[in-house]
Amino acid sequence: AAGVIQSPRHLIKEKRETATLKCYPIPRHDTVYWYQQGPGQDPQFLISFYEKMQSDKGSIPDRFSAQQFSDYHSELNMSSLELGDSALYFCASSQRLAGGHVRELFFGEGSRLTVL
Amino acid sequence: AQSVAQPEDQVNVAEGNPLTVKCTYSVSGNPYLFWYVQYPNRGLQFLLKYITGDNLVKGSYGFEAEFNKSQTSFHLKKPSALVSDSALYFCAVRDSDYKLSFGAGTTVTVRA
Repeated sequence: AAGVIQSPRHLIKEKRETATLKCYPIPRHDTVYWYQQGPGQDPQFLISFYEKMQSDKGSIPDRFSAQQFSDYHSELNMSSLELGDSALYFCASSQRLAGGHVRELFFGEGSRLTVL
Repeated sequence: AQSVAQPEDQVNVAEGNPLTVKCTYSVSGNPYLFWYVQYPNRGLQFLLKYITGDNLVKGSYGFEAEFNKSQTSFHLKKPSALVSDSALYFCAVRDSDYKLSFGAGTTVTVRA
C-alpha cells in the first residue's frame, strides 16, 4: 500500500540558510499535518492543511511557512535557519471525511534537518 | 485542551513477560485515543485506536489497549514481549481540530 513520502530524508544546512521539505500524502487523503520532533522529544504539531487550505496552526515559527498544492502535496519552507531548528520533521496524512469514522494519521519516515 | 500523559520514561521487561505502557488522558467530550510506535530514526507507526465501543482494543503486532473511563487511562499491553518490541511508544489524543497531541513517550527495552 502507498505510504506518505517525504523528501529529502536528510538535509544539512548552515545557519541563516533556507530549506524546503516536501511531503506527498497517501492518495485520496484530504488532510496533511507537519510535526517537528527534537532529540528525545515528542512530536510537536506545526501546521495542517485540509483540502489545500490551512486548517490549524501550532508552534510554527514565523520563519517557517507551508502550503498544500493542487495535487495535495505539501511543502514546508524554513528560512533563516537556526541551530535549534535541527530536528526530525514529519509529515502525516489522513482522511478527515471518511463516512463518520475517526481515522488515524499515517506518518512518513521523516526528514532529518541538521543545521550547522 | 486535550492532553495525554505517559508517567514512565522507560519500561524494562524480560522477553516473554507481559508488557504494559501507561497512558492517562484529559479530554472534554469523547476521547479519541491512539498508540504509535517509533523505531530509531524512523517514522511513527500506528498500533491501535480507541474511538468507541469495546474497552479492549486489539491492534498490530499483538498489542492491545484497555480503555478505562473511570481511571481516565488507556494503557498499552502485550501478553508476551519480544526483543523486537524495543522502541519508543507514544500515546496520543485527537483534538477538535483533528490533529494529534502526543505524550512524552515511553522507551521500552525488552531484554533477551
